This record gives sequence, structure tokens and C-alpha cells, in this order.
Amino acid sequence: TQLLEQSPQFLSIQEGENLTVYCNSSSVFSSLQWYRQEPGEGPVLLVTVVTGGEVKKLKRLTFQFGDARKDSSLHITAAQPGDTGLYLCAGASGGSNYKLTFGKGTLLTVNP
Amino acid sequence: NAGVTQTPKFRVLKTGQSMTLLCAQDMNHEYMYWYRQDPGMGLRLIHYSVGEGTTAKGEVPDGYNVSRLKKQNFLLGLESAAPSQTSVYFCASSQSNEQFFGPGTRLTVL
Repeated sequence: TQLLEQSPQFLSIQEGENLTVYCNSSSVFSSLQWYRQEPGEGPVLLVTVVTGGEVKKLKRLTFQFGDARKDSSLHITAAQPGDTGLYLCAGASGGSNYKLTFGKGTLLTVNP
Repeated sequence: NAGVTQTPKFRVLKTGQSMTLLCAQDMNHEYMYWYRQDPGMGLRLIHYSVGEGTTAKGEVPDGYNVSRLKKQNFLLGLESAAPSQTSVYFCASSQSNEQFFGPGTRLTVL
């Protein structure tokens, strides 16, 4: 069974601060995704990374896929209250790109 | 497009009762999934389908059954509900590895 460990589990910061959350595994993934889930809603895809070492930017969010394709990080610059939510990483592996393994998530609270 | 819709949004059951959760997608996606989400446990895959008429077990299939008679619909059934099935249930669909989620069904089993 492939596992994705996310850290920290909870993070509470003030508006304007920077933060990084991590997604780690001992398994290799063919691609890795980050989703954000707001209270009472389903997760929404933020980004997919495919190549080892890949870095993608989405406004104030920077996503990195580890060189060995076993880990990923999400960095948020100058966090805003609208960034509050549960951040989930999910990995696809081998021939079943349609089936994802999800981490347990990082619950981020950005206080005004 | 409505995307992925789920009915009902909320439900309370007594132990031993049965119910069916309905998921519908209008994106013509091949793959559909049922997850449950519990505090501290993340999203766990219950069952999934790779096409109309097919279903497969996920990580936590016990106590649940599914059917995919039409491509756009994926039904999740609980034959005899147990308190351990109290959870938020999410349906998702995909055509590749990007999954689109519904808004969830909050189920409480007393």
C-alpha cells in the first residue's frame, strides 16, 4: 500500500506570513496533485506535477515535485485569509493514473 | 454544466436501515469514484468504476455496494447501516488523473 504523509497536520498563521507544507512517501509516483478543500465542499484541483524536480507557480503558490518523484512541497507567499482550507496531496502511480492515493491533509488557517 | 452532483446532501439513518447515495456527472467522464472522509483519516476510496457496467473495490469497501448502470451515474448503497459508517461521502469523476468532486453527503448513523 502506498502512503502519502503530509506535514504539518495543522497550521495557523497570520495574514502576510509565508508557509510551506510537505507531502512525503517512500513510493515513487508518476504524478502528484495538490487539491484544496474548503469547508462544506469537495476538493478542487490546484496543480499536477509530473516531472521529477518540476516547479510550478500559481500566483502566490509554488509547488515542487521531488527529484525522485517521492515527495512534494507547497509554498505559499504572503498568505491571505482566502487561502484557508484543507490542502491535500494525491499521487498516481504506474498504470493506474486514474486511481489516486490521498494524504490526510494539512488544515491551514490564515488569521486576518 | 453542473459538474458532479450528489443527492442527498444530508441524511440521518438508524442502525440497520438501508439507503442509496446518488452521484451524477455531466462531463462524459469514464471513471467515477466514491470516497469517505473522516477526521484525521483523509479521503479513503470505497469503490470505483472505470466505465459503464464496471465496478471495483477500493481501500474500504466492506458494508457498501455500488452500481454503474449508466455512464453518468454512480450509486453507492448501504444495505445495513452501522454507526461506523457515519462520515462525509464524496463522489468524484475523471477522464485522466484530474478528479472532479461533488459537494459531499453528510451521513449520520445513530
